[in-house]
Amino acid sequence: DAKTTQPPSMDCAEGRAANLPCNHSTISGNEYVYWYRQIHSQGPQYIIHGLKNNETNEMASLIITEDRKSSTLILPHATLRDTAVYYCIVRVEETSGSRLTFGEGTQLTVNP
Amino acid sequence: GAVVSQHPSRVICKSGTSVKIECRSLDFQATTMFWYRQFPKQSLMLMATSNEGSKATYEQGVEKDKFLINHASLTLSTLTVTSAHPEDSSFYICSAYLHGGNYGYTFGSGTRLTVV
Repeated sequence: DAKTTQPPSMDCAEGRAANLPCNHSTISGNEYVYWYRQIHSQGPQYIIHGLKNNETNEMASLIITEDRKSSTLILPHATLRDTAVYYCIVRVEETSGSRLTFGEGTQLTVNP
Repeated sequence: GAVVSQHPSRVICKSGTSVKIECRSLDFQATTMFWYRQFPKQSLMLMATSNEGSKATYEQGVEKDKFLINHASLTLSTLTVTSAHPEDSSFYICSAYLHGGNYGYTFGSGTRLTVV
């Protein structure tokens, strides 16, 4: 499995952009980068995913470096409700079915 | 979007009894479902992967006779914790996967199991 490395915690001021980094230096060519977040005592929520191009949706933007060894999740205008643990995951392709393996994630705290 | 319903959200049971947790995909057929366990202040740990109509594949260290998984239809998977003990108290989360779907993986809201 391609492992990911994220900072354990980050703080962000409400209304400012939150930029969450992720290193995945061992990623292989057919593996996607997924971002999920988990608000306390809830199931993870899908945010965005990408292969090599930058992606944007209504929640966030995903910037993947050209060598694909790292990526950044951008929440353009963070709110207090964005306080959560954010997981960067590289999708594992297996014959028995793909699965998501979670690392420790980044605890993002948005402060008023 | 894809929705996964998980029930119950909380359950308290006595030591030695069994508890069943249900995971339903409401608006899509899930070819594969996953079960995770999460202890306080820890990340999600994959327990098993189940494909409809076949036996579940368990991760190393997970007792298949203790955590029974049934995936009888494309919209329902169940996890039964048999002979529960206090150390089984945890947050259990299911996930459903749809091949070719935009989201791929959708998670349930989780079940807080407390064994007393």
